[in-house]
Amino acid sequence: GAGVSQSPSNKVTEKGKDVELRCDPISGHTALYWYRQSLGQGLEFLIYFQGNSAPDKSGLPSDRFSAERTGGSVSTLTIQRTQQEDSAVYLCASSSTTGAGNTIYFGEGSWLTVV
Amino acid sequence: GENVEQHPSTLSVQEGDSAVIKCTYSDSASNYFPWYKQELGKGPQLIIDIRSNVGEKKDQRIAVTLNKTAKHFSLHITETQPEDSAVYFCAASGGTYKYIFGTGTRLKVLA
Repeated sequence: GAGVSQSPSNKVTEKGKDVELRCDPISGHTALYWYRQSLGQGLEFLIYFQGNSAPDKSGLPSDRFSAERTGGSVSTLTIQRTQQEDSAVYLCASSSTTGAGNTIYFGEGSWLTVV
Repeated sequence: GENVEQHPSTLSVQEGDSAVIKCTYSDSASNYFPWYKQELGKGPQLIIDIRSNVGEKKDQRIAVTLNKTAKHFSLHITETQPEDSAVYFCAASGGTYKYIFGTGTRLKVLA
């Protein structure tokens, strides 16, 4: 596609429910990132995928969070047993290759509200 | 660990005036410095970037300067317009896939 596509754009869920957020990166981009942005805050790194390499999961805040990337393209971020503090915008980004100097392009984000 | 400090956190300027946002990074290996603009309800969009072999880069009303010795880089917006109102993030990256983002600056351009 022309840009990074994320769905859903908005999600309201009840505390304790599981949610899945989807990211479709720019076609041909091998690197994919997930970031979290709480209201009025900066960008918190969650996870990084590059090709078939093992992902860097060092930013995932708890074991309720997991992500996968199937076929080196679409990625799904799953949050189990959601808590109110999980409410945030979840941003996906992709880049053509890894390493410094390779611009990362963001999607519009998935706005998650846990009530 | 590596970090990027960004100042100010909020900035209000009169339309037509200039705005300057400053970032300081800690990792001396950083060699790529992008700036992102995030409008309300949208994802961050790249507006300009600079690499370590360049001291300044300009694109119309936007410019970025880099001082590698001091580990500072700045975003300059001249002749500000209401549509420049947004949150701006700086970032630093060096040799790996990791980008360290600043905490953001909320810019308000007053008409």
